[in-house]
Amino acid sequence: GDSVTQMEGPVTLSEEAFLTINCTYTATGYPSLFWYVQYPGEGLQLLLKATKADDKGSNKGFEATYRKETTSFHLEKGSVQVSDSAVYFCALSDSGANSKLTFGKGITLSVRP
Amino acid sequence: DAGVIQSPRHEVTEMGQEVTLRCKPISGHDYLFWYRQTMMRGLELLIYFNNNVPIDDSGMPEDRFSAKMPNASFSTLKIQPSEPRDSAVYFCASSPSTGGGNQPQHFGDGTRLSIL
Repeated sequence: GDSVTQMEGPVTLSEEAFLTINCTYTATGYPSLFWYVQYPGEGLQLLLKATKADDKGSNKGFEATYRKETTSFHLEKGSVQVSDSAVYFCALSDSGANSKLTFGKGITLSVRP
Repeated sequence: DAGVIQSPRHEVTEMGQEVTLRCKPISGHDYLFWYRQTMMRGLELLIYFNNNVPIDDSGMPEDRFSAKMPNASFSTLKIQPSEPRDSAVYFCASSPSTGGGNQPQHFGDGTRLSIL
């Protein structure tokens, strides 16, 4: 079945540091890929998405590129801020029409001033 | 748009009691999902509906859990009887059906449930 693997956390960075959060996936067909973010006390919010190979999703300074050859969708940001402290989830949706998402375990990012 | 609305935000009750969680999806969204989030198990999909019909309930942990969607604007998740191990944050999410798997899910703020 479909699965998403995220790097182990938590991750602690200083403000303005470069961020990479790894995500790899296993799926049949051609899934769509997502990054969701969960701020403390809130539900998950869509951060960015990519729907086909080589697409780059971007939002709020975050980027991720759909790499079919390495089955990866790593999240990057050039300069993190304290306000980026949150839990980040990688997810995929299969190519069918049922909109069901498969989530990774999530990783907690803490950014120090 | 108002977003996905869940109630209550917090619930504390004693074991053995019945618990009912409520969700109002975004108007026009055909899919509704119930998730449970714990530190130990992360985010788990419990059940989801399409056009008010349950499609996959394989994530429902046991018969104590039940979910209904009587109409397009309301769903409930019920636990009876509740147990301390049911303590978690429960999320409801909805998404439109158009575009198939390209559509993101929109989450509510969750219900934090504590069973004493």
